[in-house]
Amino acid sequence: GESVGLHLPTLSVQEGDNSIINCAYSNSASDYFIWYKQESGKGPQFIIDIRSNMDKRQGQRVTVLLNKTVKHLSLQIAATQPGDSAVYFCAGQNDYKLSFGAGTTVTVRA
Amino acid sequence: DAMVIQNPRYQVTQFGKPVTLSCSQTLNHNVMYWYQQKSSQAPKLLFHYYDKDFNNEADTPDNFQSRRPNTSFCFLDIRSPGLGDAAMYLCATSRDLAREGVQYFGPGTRLTVL
Repeated sequence: GESVGLHLPTLSVQEGDNSIINCAYSNSASDYFIWYKQESGKGPQFIIDIRSNMDKRQGQRVTVLLNKTVKHLSLQIAATQPGDSAVYFCAGQNDYKLSFGAGTTVTVRA
Repeated sequence: DAMVIQNPRYQVTQFGKPVTLSCSQTLNHNVMYWYQQKSSQAPKLLFHYYDKDFNNEADTPDNFQSRRPNTSFCFLDIRSPGLGDAAMYLCATSRDLAREGVQYFGPGTRLTVL
């Protein structure tokens, strides 16, 4: 089965700086990946996704990079804001099933 | 706005007393999922409905059941809650069971077992 993990459980970042959250996966058959943001007491919120035939995708202030060679993806948040404080999960998808990583808690310092 | 709604947001029950959690969606999605999320952990899939077809994950305890009376509503029944069932329960939906189908989550119901 899929194993998805994040490199660091916590990340502290200065407001205005860029954040980089990393994720490694084990199953090379996974061909679709999603990043979710979960604020305290709320459900996971879709941020951005990427298909395996892509190596980069950009959204509003966020960029996801996929390196299939080393089975690694990352989420970059530009100009991090206090509202970005949350737990971030990467998830790999096989058919319908999402395999979530453990989550990285991002704390934004004022 | 189209959304996934969960009620109640907080539920307290007693050990062994049956409890039902509710989920509704206005997205008209075919698939509805139930996840269990314990503190500081990732969500864990319990089961899902594709239309009226129920699919249980292999490691979901028999204590957990689900009903989907129509497209919009799905219920999670915990027949005899134990202390270990205290968790956040998340409902999610997706349009289909496609390999690249985004799942949209509700706000969750936090269950406390006394």
